[in-house]
Amino acid sequence: DQQVKQNSPSLSVQEGRISILNCDYTNSMFDYFLWYKKYPAEGPTFLISISSIKDKNEDGRFTVFLNKSAKHLSLHIVPSQPGDSAVYFCAADFTGTASKLTFGTGTRLQVTL
Amino acid sequence: EAGVAQSPRYKIIEKRQSVAFWCNPISGHATLYWYQQILGQGPKLLIQFQNNGVVDDSQLPKDRFSAERLKGVDSTLKIQPAKLEDSAVYLCASRPSPSQRGTHNEQFFGPGTRLTVL
Repeated sequence: DQQVKQNSPSLSVQEGRISILNCDYTNSMFDYFLWYKKYPAEGPTFLISISSIKDKNEDGRFTVFLNKSAKHLSLHIVPSQPGDSAVYFCAADFTGTASKLTFGTGTRLQVTL
Repeated sequence: EAGVAQSPRYKIIEKRQSVAFWCNPISGHATLYWYQQILGQGPKLLIQFQNNGVVDDSQLPKDRFSAERLKGVDSTLKIQPAKLEDSAVYLCASRPSPSQRGTHNEQFFGPGTRLTVL
């Protein structure tokens, strides 16, 4: 049972344009969501997160939107840069002692010149 | 601050052989995780330690996988005997205790060990 889904395996965007990566989840008990970025041969690195009490969180070029009723979140990158080319994983968590991440399958973003 | 260290980075073995991976988390991080990432999939949690105790090992194939975290610091994950389907990247992550945590709730990942079983 895939509780966190990223339905787009890949995305190609021109440099300077907006990248939008999507993620859907099924378990309404998740209350914290994170995006990780992964370069080849490296471990995932934390990018941005959002609590379920919010619907938007912004950090520089990165903004995450959460729609709880639709069980959907998205990551916006504006403007996209070639260095953003990586695999992006959406992850969902339960805060507190039960914390453990459930990851989506990832979206490979390619930012072209 | 040093990150999560893992070794070896790469390992190639034949099926039915044994293999062990080592992880040294960020200093002071109480929680340690082992994940398995199969090609084309997201990381899947195998086991979670809080200090030297197991919090969750519900997805660990206990007939062949074992893990320990003696003294609550570094950890080893062992596979014995390995199967072809164990080919994956094994990621270790750590997380600070609630008192150390900032506003974020993230886990910090090591570079992983890529295992190939032939």
